[in-house]
Amino acid sequence: DTGVSQNPRHKITKRGQNVTFRCDPISEHNRLYWYRQTLGQGPEFLTYFQNEAQLEKSRLLSDRFSAERPKGSFSTLEIQRTEQGDSAMYLCASSSGQAPGGYTFGSGTRLTVV
Amino acid sequence: DAKTTQPPSMDCAEGRAANLPCNHSTISGNEYVYWYRQIHSQGPQYIIHGLKNNETNEMASLIITEDRKSSTLILPHATLRDTAVYYCIVWTNTNAGKSTFGDGTTLTVKP
Repeated sequence: DTGVSQNPRHKITKRGQNVTFRCDPISEHNRLYWYRQTLGQGPEFLTYFQNEAQLEKSRLLSDRFSAERPKGSFSTLEIQRTEQGDSAMYLCASSSGQAPGGYTFGSGTRLTVV
Repeated sequence: DAKTTQPPSMDCAEGRAANLPCNHSTISGNEYVYWYRQIHSQGPQYIIHGLKNNETNEMASLIITEDRKSSTLILPHATLRDTAVYYCIVWTNTNAGKSTFGDGTTLTVKP
């Protein structure tokens, strides 16, 4: 297992376009998290899945954002009608949830909206 | 959620111990103190966590005060590769992972 994988690593898109990011968690982890991180700030929680169920959404997750985890394995985060303010690093993390412990993060997808 | 306060930046000489403080004066009894670090252009990396007792692993030591209102992460022999942003977060078993990290401390290890 190579850890949490995120694709693409970088994405440049024009304002108004839709983008989709993918996260492949550690295979035995049933919990998956999405975060957004802007320059100079810490990661901000966006949403959380346990298996295929999306159990929590932050108020930061506007209606232009949608996340799925259709079979409880990989997850996608889609942003519709992108705005310049969406430019950020989008991070995914997974955990087994068995005990308090570390969450494994991917390297993120850097989105630039021009 | 309990909030944490960390100094925005710190320097440390290579080979010396780096002591990173965190204040969490409103921490609840069931909240753990977690530390992560983030090296430029990578995702955060888990370092250590603790509830009441001091903890040590291969990466670092975590010292939690008796009243649990503050803690210190200790990197015993800092190297240049320890230059990173260090985040201190308090989480329960229920809300773990579901909150914002805060701005952290940028540690610069100098030769």
